[in-house]
Amino acid sequence: KAGVTQTPRYLIKTRGQQVTLSCSPISGHRSVSWYQQTPGQGLQFLFEYFSETQRNKGNFPGRFSGRQFSNSRSEMNVSTLELGDSALYLCASSGGLAGGEETQYFGPGTRLLVL
Amino acid sequence: AQSVTQLDSHVSVSEGTPVLLRCNYSSSYSPSLFWYVQHPNKGLQLLLKYTSAATLVKGINGFEAEFKKSETSFHLTKPSAHMSDAAEYFCVVSEQFSGGYNKLIFGAGTRLAVHP
Repeated sequence: KAGVTQTPRYLIKTRGQQVTLSCSPISGHRSVSWYQQTPGQGLQFLFEYFSETQRNKGNFPGRFSGRQFSNSRSEMNVSTLELGDSALYLCASSGGLAGGEETQYFGPGTRLLVL
Repeated sequence: AQSVTQLDSHVSVSEGTPVLLRCNYSSSYSPSLFWYVQHPNKGLQLLLKYTSAATLVKGINGFEAEFKKSETSFHLTKPSAHMSDAAEYFCVVSEQFSGGYNKLIFGAGTRLAVHP
């Protein structure tokens, strides 16, 4: 089975621009979660989607948004980029129904650099 | 609220010696706990998970962890370090929600260095 894929792997943007990141989950998985990883804040939860619905959202400003398509692929968008948005953005997929015991499988991440 | 504390930000060992990475958790109910590893410029790979079955959990690459409820600990060990074990390790607790989904809460990470 193919793993979680994320595109693009690297991005360079300038302040004020917007960016869209894509995540394709493992086949059959219906839940996609997004995390931001920075040296200062570590790994933080952004949001989770299941069957095209956002079920949970972390403590991030409204500039961070996402969506999920009927094939479970997900995109996240960051508008009006700030220098502090430079980070590794990780996507994880899971079945989405088994609760706390369920394993989330991570993609390789998209590294975003904001200049 | 759930939380995890990784007690060491850096651990350095010699190749062939044991590895111990320490993790304490805080949870109001029986938690699901995970250890993930991240090699440079890579995503996160699951090493092992605890979900209220056996308290000693065996994972990949010779790693294991023991869940100790009385100490609220979930330390990761390996009998003999290999150079390829050099990476960052994250202890993770799963916060559960009604509706069948969870949110992962990560520790700050422990960077493991392995010297020849």
